[in-house]
Amino acid sequence: AQTVTQSQPEMSVQEAETVTLSCTYDTSENNYYLFWYKQPPSRQMILVIRQEAYKQQNATENRFSVNFQKAAKSFSLKISDSQLGDTAMYFCAFLRSGSRLTFGEGTQLTVNP
Amino acid sequence: NAGVTQTPKFRVLKTGQSMTLLCAQDMNHEYMYWYRQDPGMGLRLIHYSVGEGTTAKGEVPDGYNVSRLKKQNFLLGLESAAPSQTSVYFCASSSPTLTGGAEDGYTFGSGTRLTVV
Repeated sequence: AQTVTQSQPEMSVQEAETVTLSCTYDTSENNYYLFWYKQPPSRQMILVIRQEAYKQQNATENRFSVNFQKAAKSFSLKISDSQLGDTAMYFCAFLRSGSRLTFGEGTQLTVNP
Repeated sequence: NAGVTQTPKFRVLKTGQSMTLLCAQDMNHEYMYWYRQDPGMGLRLIHYSVGEGTTAKGEVPDGYNVSRLKKQNFLLGLESAAPSQTSVYFCASSSPTLTGGAEDGYTFGSGTRLTVV
């Protein structure tokens, strides 16, 4: 079974600064997909970024980028120029083809003015 | 707007009562899922369906039943609610890719907060 671990239950950052959220996972598969989801206080689950394991290039979406280290089974999310609207719970998730999405415990990020 | 709709959004039940949570999607997705979210535990899969008329157990299926009589609807039932089922419930849907998986990601509903007293 795949497991996803987020070791930082809470983090905070000052507005306009950069913050990195950590995620590690355990799998014996070679082909899989990794995701970061954002859950603001509205409770809605919003897809932030997605990474295919077979791609060496790290995914980037505007201010959000990942550092994907396949050998180390690490998938961290970097948020640049943090904004107040980035305050949310962030979930790392793992998916292998033919299976279902498995989530980490979540990291509550607070952006302070 | 296209997406996943969950009803109700909030509910309080007494121990032993039953209820059904409804999930409806209008994206013609084949796959649908029910997750529960608890503090410090992320989202855990309860049941899922890979097509109309099919269901399967996920990670935490005990105490729940599901049905997928129509492609667009996925119902989650609690026959005899227990305080341990106090949680936020999320429905999601996805479409199979060429490899048969759901690598394009899931679309989530806005959740149902259920309290069992």
